[in-house]
Amino acid sequence: AQRVTQPEKLLSVFKGAPVELKCNYSYSGSPELFWYVQYSRQRLQLLLRHISRESIKGFTADLNKGETSFHLKKPFAQEEDSAMYYCALGCSNDYKLSFGAGTTVTVRA
Amino acid sequence: DTEVTQTPKHLVMGMTNKKSLKCEQHMGHRAMYWYKQKAKKPPELMFVYSYEKLSINESVPSRFSPECPNSSLLNLHLHALQPEDSALYLCASSHVGLAGGTIRTTDTQYFGPGTRLTVL
Repeated sequence: AQRVTQPEKLLSVFKGAPVELKCNYSYSGSPELFWYVQYSRQRLQLLLRHISRESIKGFTADLNKGETSFHLKKPFAQEEDSAMYYCALGCSNDYKLSFGAGTTVTVRA
Repeated sequence: DTEVTQTPKHLVMGMTNKKSLKCEQHMGHRAMYWYKQKAKKPPELMFVYSYEKLSINESVPSRFSPECPNSSLLNLHLHALQPEDSALYLCASSHVGLAGGTIRTTDTQYFGPGTRLTVL
C-alpha cells in the first residue's frame, strides 16, 4: 500500500534562512508526487508537481526514486511562506491521493 | 472559470436535520471528490466520481450520501449526523488521464474552499 511520511510536524525558520520540508513515500509503482499548501483561511492549493519540474514561489522539489523522497526546498524563506504544507502521492490506476500528515511552517521576522 | 466553488461556507445542523452541500466546477474536469478534513489534519478521501459514476466510496457511513447530477455538479446529502462529523468538507476536481486504455491516476486536484460543518 502507498504511504507518505512527513517527519516534521512543525518547522520554524527565520526570514531569509533556507527551509527544507521532508517527504518520503512508499510505493512499488511509478509515483506522481505533489506538494500542496494551505495558507491560513485559504483553500488547499497545488504548489508543485514533480513532472512539471517548475519552481513556484521560489520552491523546488526533486523526486529521488532511489531514496523515495520528494523534499521541498526554498533557499530564502519569506514570512508569507508561513502555512501548512502537505506532500501527496498519486498512484497509477488509482484516483486516490495519499496525503502526508503535513508540516506547519512558521517564518519568523 | 478556473475555480471550484462550494456552498454554503458554513453550516450548523442538529442531529435530526437533513442538509446538502454543493460543489461546482466549470473546468471540464470529469473526476470529482469529497474529502473530510479535521483541524490540523490532512484531507481524508470520502468519495470519488468519475464521469458522473461513483468510483470510490471509502467505507463512509450511509448518513453521507453523494450525488453527481451532471459533469459540473457534486452534492453531498447529510442526514442524522453525529457531533464527530463536524469538520471542513472539501470538494475537489481533476482531469482523468487515460493511458493504455486503462483509467490512470488523477491529474492535479483542484480544491474548493470547503464547507465548515458543525453538528450539534
